[in-house]
Order: sequence, then C-alpha cells, then structure tokens
Amino acid sequence: AQKVTQAQTEISVVEKEDVTLDCVYETRDTTYYLFWYKQPPSGELVFLIRRNSFDEQNEISGRYSWNFQKSTSSFNFTITASQVVDSAVYFCALSRGGSNYKLTFGKGTLLTVNP
Amino acid sequence: GAVVSQHPSRVICKSGTSVKIECRSLDFQATTMFWYRQFPKQSLMLMATSNEGSKATYEQGVEKDKFLINHASLTLSTLTVTSAHPEDSSFYICSARGILGEENNEQFFGPGTRLTVL
Repeated sequence: AQKVTQAQTEISVVEKEDVTLDCVYETRDTTYYLFWYKQPPSGELVFLIRRNSFDEQNEISGRYSWNFQKSTSSFNFTITASQVVDSAVYFCALSRGGSNYKLTFGKGTLLTVNP
Repeated sequence: GAVVSQHPSRVICKSGTSVKIECRSLDFQATTMFWYRQFPKQSLMLMATSNEGSKATYEQGVEKDKFLINHASLTLSTLTVTSAHPEDSSFYICSARGILGEENNEQFFGPGTRLTVL
C-alpha cells in the first residue's frame, strides 16, 4: 500500500522567511512518482513538480526548491523568501509507475504567510 | 500545459435531486479521467477512474449507483450525483490524462465544482 504523510498540518510564517514543507512517503515499488501541488483558496490545484524515483537530483525553480532523498523516503519542499501569495494548502502526492497510476495524496499543509 | 474544464463551478440543489458535473479536456484527448472528492480542510480522495468507452472503476466505499460516471468520449466525462443529500456536499475535482501522460502519470486537474445540497 502507498502512503503519504505530511506531518505539518499548519504553518504560519512572516513574509520573507524561508519555510520547508515536509513529505514522507511509503511504497514498495521501485518505480514511482512524487508530486507537489498548490491549492489556493480558489480551490484549483496548481501543479508544481513531478519527480520519478530514479531521479534524486534536487531541483530549484525560482524561490521553490525540492529535496528528494530516497534513503529517508522524503520529498521536502522549501520556499525561500516567502510571500503572501504563497499562502495556500500544499499537497504532496505519490503514484506508482507503469500502468497503475492512482495518485495518493497526503493530508496537506496549510501555509499562511503573514505580511 | 493542457487545460481541463469543469461545469458548473458551483451548484446548490435541494435534497433528493440529481446533479450532473461535466469534465472536459479542451486541447487533448483524455484516455483516462479521474474523479476526486474533497471535504472541507481535508485531502483529495479518489472516487473513481474512468477510461473512455468502458465502465468506471470505483474506489472502495464509493457507491457506484449513487455516483454515476460516464466517459462517452475522449474529451468528456460526467459525474452524476443521484438523489443528493447534505452529506454529499463537497468539492468535486476531476483530472484527465492523455496518451502521452501514461508513462509518467501526468494528470491535468480541472478547477473543481463546489456542490451544496440543502
């Protein structure tokens, strides 16, 4: 069975602070995909990143960065110099590779960035 | 990226009525569409997976006779909530995956439909 744990239910920071959202996953598959999505108050899911299990390189995109560590089954997401517009719920998700493609979502982390 | 639309974006109905929600892939052919439900302050839970031209596969605990899913074409899937009750009030989100996304499970999400049953 697959499982995604986002232990942080809510995080509150002040603008310009760095913040890391944790994601720990469980799977018995050797091939799998990890995702992060942002859900602002409007409700629409915004895709942020997809990483396959064979690519452990960290990725940086502007103020966003991701740290994938298979040794600890973690796929953490860091926002540098946070802004008020970053306030949203962030979901980490996992899917199997190949033809079995269901997405298993974590419970989400509500990030509030205060001015 | 590919665009997925949902209609309506918001619906309020009386208890006992049926509500149909449409999910359309606007610029690609969706071989597979997924329907999720999200209760307030909770995560997305997969309800069912539908492939064009075949019956939907429902997740455990989801009543297939209550949540009717039709995927009649490669660009349209519909979810009908039959005899809706207040406990069916939720945010319903669809996603679509095209042929090119099958290997890496690239899904494109719709904007969601907020259903309120009075």
